[in-house]
Amino acid sequence: DGGITQSPKYLFRKEGQNVTLSCEQNLNHDAMYWYRQDPGQGLRLIYYSQIVNDFQKGDIAEGYSVSREKKESFPLTVTSAQKNPTAFYLCASSQVPLDGYTFGSGTRLTVV
Amino acid sequence: DQQVKQNSPSLSVQEGRISILNCDYTNSMFDYFLWYKKYPAEGPTFLISISSIKDKNEDGRFTVFLNKSAKHLSLHIVPSQPGDSAVYFCAAFDRGSTLGRLYFGRGTQLTVWP
Repeated sequence: DGGITQSPKYLFRKEGQNVTLSCEQNLNHDAMYWYRQDPGQGLRLIYYSQIVNDFQKGDIAEGYSVSREKKESFPLTVTSAQKNPTAFYLCASSQVPLDGYTFGSGTRLTVV
Repeated sequence: DQQVKQNSPSLSVQEGRISILNCDYTNSMFDYFLWYKKYPAEGPTFLISISSIKDKNEDGRFTVFLNKSAKHLSLHIVPSQPGDSAVYFCAAFDRGSTLGRLYFGRGTQLTVWP
C-alpha cells in the first residue's frame, strides 16, 4: 500500500543536540512538506520541496534544516538553534500541481 | 498573518445533532478549500473539499458550503457521532500559484457527547 512514513513516533533528545526526523513516501509524489503542531497554533509550515534537490523556507524555518536528495525522502533536522523544539512534527506529500496533502502519522519530539 | 482563520477553538455538540464548523479566509486568490480531521497523536486525514466554482459539496454526513463574497466556508456534520470528536482544520490554496502549498487555520476541537 502506498503511504507516507514518519519515524520514530516518539523521540527524546537533550537540549543542545541536533536531531533528524525521517519522512519517506512511496506515493510517487513530487512535493513534500514539514509542519509543526503546537497547542493553539494549528499547523505551521517549516520547509517544503516541490522537486528533488530544491526546497523553500516556510513560515517558521529558523532553527531547522532539510535536504531532498531523493524523491521519496525529505528528512528534517532540528538544530540546537531552534529555541522551542518540543512539538508534534508532521510530514506531508502531494502531487504537482497541488490538489491536497497526504500526511504521515507524525513524530512527537521532546527536548529535555 | 493568518490567511485562513478558524475563530472557534472548540465546539461541543450532542450526539445526533448538527455540528457546524466555520472558517474564514482573507486571500481572494484562494480557489480550492479542504477540510482535514485529526485525532490526537495522528496525522490529519482528508475529509472533504470544494472548488470555488461550487457553493456546496456533499459526502455522506459531511457537507461543505462556500460563500465567496463573504470569504467564508462552513462544514456541516449531520448527524454528529461520538467518533467525530477530533480537531478539524480548514485549508485553502490558490491553484494558480507556483508556491504549491496549503494554508491552514488553527483548528477547531469538536466534542460530540452522548
